Amino acid sequence: EVQLVESGGGLVQPGRSLRLSCSASGFTFGDYAMSWVRQAPGKGLQWISFTRVKAYGGTTEYAASVKGRFIVSRDDSKNIAYLLMNSLKTEDTAVYYCVRVWALPPRSDIFDVWGQGTMVTVSS
Amino acid sequence: DIQMTQSPSTLSASVGDRVTITCRASQSIRGWLAWYQQKPGKAPKVLIYKASSLESGVPSRFSGSGSGTEFTLSISSLQPDDFATYYCQQYHSFWTFGQGTKVEV
Repeated sequence: EVQLVESGGGLVQPGRSLRLSCSASGFTFGDYAMSWVRQAPGKGLQWISFTRVKAYGGTTEYAASVKGRFIVSRDDSKNIAYLLMNSLKTEDTAVYYCVRVWALPPRSDIFDVWGQGTMVTVSS
Repeated sequence: DIQMTQSPSTLSASVGDRVTITCRASQSIRGWLAWYQQKPGKAPKVLIYKASSLESGVPSRFSGSGSGTEFTLSISSLQPDDFATYYCQQYHSFWTFGQGTKVEV
């Protein structure tokens, strides 16, 4: 079964850091780009980051709201994606979803597999 | 950045109704649009990609249309399982979601 499982969420104070993990199973993790999407309580979905596969340099992209504070990475040997969140703000409070990005046409670039999400609460 | 605007924000409907949700992009995204369904406490699930292609396993009562800046998601005959929130998403330039449309009783 294709699955993504996030972990690492919790309560953190403003200005502190937190690292989320996304453990993948049921597919060849290294063949897929990955993204993170967040959803503030009662709000809509916001894409926040993207990591290309190693074959395309493993480079990353970020939404403006998190650029310079969040860092994504991946360990293909462990089938894990990471989201390191620094300088956290109260407005970063959200459920964070790890997402697989489908690679091949005609479905290329759609978010076809989602984790269950992990809640991050930024509060003093 | 490309902005996505959905309407309406909330839609009241009954089982058997035909439902249509509109999504507008702030600039042309050609056909690079997807629709997702999300139920409370659950992750979203893709329904439609490339504006009008039905994802495998999604019932045929769901359909999508449009190109450029105007898109629609239609449900031909609303079923009890379809009460949920629907999001459009552009993937022409990175990814942006609409604000969501809640379909309620």
